[in-house]
Amino acid sequence: GAGVSQTPSNKVTEKGKYVELRCDPISGHTALYWYRQSLGQGPEFLIYFQGTGAADDSGLPNDRFFAVRPEGSVSTLKIQRTERGDSAVYLCASSLMDGAYNEQFFGPGTRLTVL
Amino acid sequence: QKEVEQNSGPLSVPEGAIASLNCTYSDRVSQSFFWYRQYSGKSPELIMSIYSNGDKEDGRFTAQLNKASQYVSLLIRDSQPSDSATYLCAVNAPRGAQKLVFGQGTRLTINP
Repeated sequence: GAGVSQTPSNKVTEKGKYVELRCDPISGHTALYWYRQSLGQGPEFLIYFQGTGAADDSGLPNDRFFAVRPEGSVSTLKIQRTERGDSAVYLCASSLMDGAYNEQFFGPGTRLTVL
Repeated sequence: QKEVEQNSGPLSVPEGAIASLNCTYSDRVSQSFFWYRQYSGKSPELIMSIYSNGDKEDGRFTAQLNKASQYVSLLIRDSQPSDSATYLCAVNAPRGAQKLVFGQGTRLTINP
């Protein structure tokens, strides 16, 4: 079946601009996660949705970052007033959330470059 | 102390040998442990999950978990050049949180 999809695959923007990154999870997966990965590092957690609500947004670095999942499926990560330090690969993952077996499957990522 | 620690490598192993990758974690109540493989320029791919002490085998891969020592490892038998990648250890954050905490990854190179 189809995996997690993310668009765009690459986004180049200028400092101060607004960007939206989209994630379409695996069909039937109720949990959706956003992570950010910088070169040479493991992914870092940003936010987790269970259904439509953000169950844990403790990883969002500041109030320029916001994410929504209005219908419990597709999610959008929104970054306002982008800064050069926001440049990274933004990864989305989804899982079935069946008890303790929280296996998360990643999409291909969106590479964000802020000039 | 980092929550999840891995040796960044690079780890170089001859083709056909066993590659051994190690990971330690700091929070004793962590319950779920995962290994992801990440090829250069690609996203992480789940290859193994383990939840109980002991060994779990899947094809050429064996995951080992020792909760008392807070240690998880991945063995790759009969290593192939296609196994060359970065291997990420991930731990499910405890106390009800669902996020994964990742190590920085170990870069593995299999030499033909």
